[in-house]
Amino acid sequence: EAGVAQSPRYKIIEKRQSVAFWCNPISGHATLYWYQQILGQGPKLLIQFQNNGVVDDSQLPKDRFSAERLKGVDSTLKIQPAKLEDSAVYLCASSPQGFRKLFFGSGTQLSVL
Amino acid sequence: TQLLEQSPQFLSIQEGENLTVYCNSSSVFSSLQWYRQEPGEGPVLLVTVVTGGEVKKLKRLTFQFGDARKDSSLHITAAQPGDTGLYLCAGDLGSSNTGKLIFGQGTTLQVKP
Repeated sequence: EAGVAQSPRYKIIEKRQSVAFWCNPISGHATLYWYQQILGQGPKLLIQFQNNGVVDDSQLPKDRFSAERLKGVDSTLKIQPAKLEDSAVYLCASSPQGFRKLFFGSGTQLSVL
Repeated sequence: TQLLEQSPQFLSIQEGENLTVYCNSSSVFSSLQWYRQEPGEGPVLLVTVVTGGEVKKLKRLTFQFGDARKDSSLHITAAQPGDTGLYLCAGDLGSSNTGKLIFGQGTTLQVKP
């Protein structure tokens, strides 16, 4: 079974530029999550989708971050414009509906200079 | 304010030693999970505990959920270099295991041969 796929693996940008991350969850998984993990900290939930609807985006900085999950499958997370404090690993995870186990991708490491 | 406090944050021990990692909160969780994360990878689920007082064993790892479902511990017996990694606890604040997980800041474990 293929795991959660994320791209790119690494991204380096300058502040005020925009960036987008892509995630393809495990086939059939209804729930998709985006987490932000700053170095030395645990992952922080940014947004949770159930199929193509948003369940929780309370910690998403909506003035600069946006996410979508068209057709309830893959998802993109965008940052525009990026700030220095956005430097982090962005993790995508998926889980089957009604099941509490999260499967994580390898993440995208973002460096904002 | 950290909802889930893990201690210690860093642990460096010799192969063969025992160790315990703690995860504490003032909140009650419907379930609690432990993940292990290696550098450059996403977290991988080790165990889920659901019932207060529950104890689960995974080879040399023993996980315990507090009676009040506010805290948990991970005990490793005879640690090996392969146990090196970041250990994360994650609590589900939703009802009926909604999959919305809050992560602790993690415990970095280094086991020296």
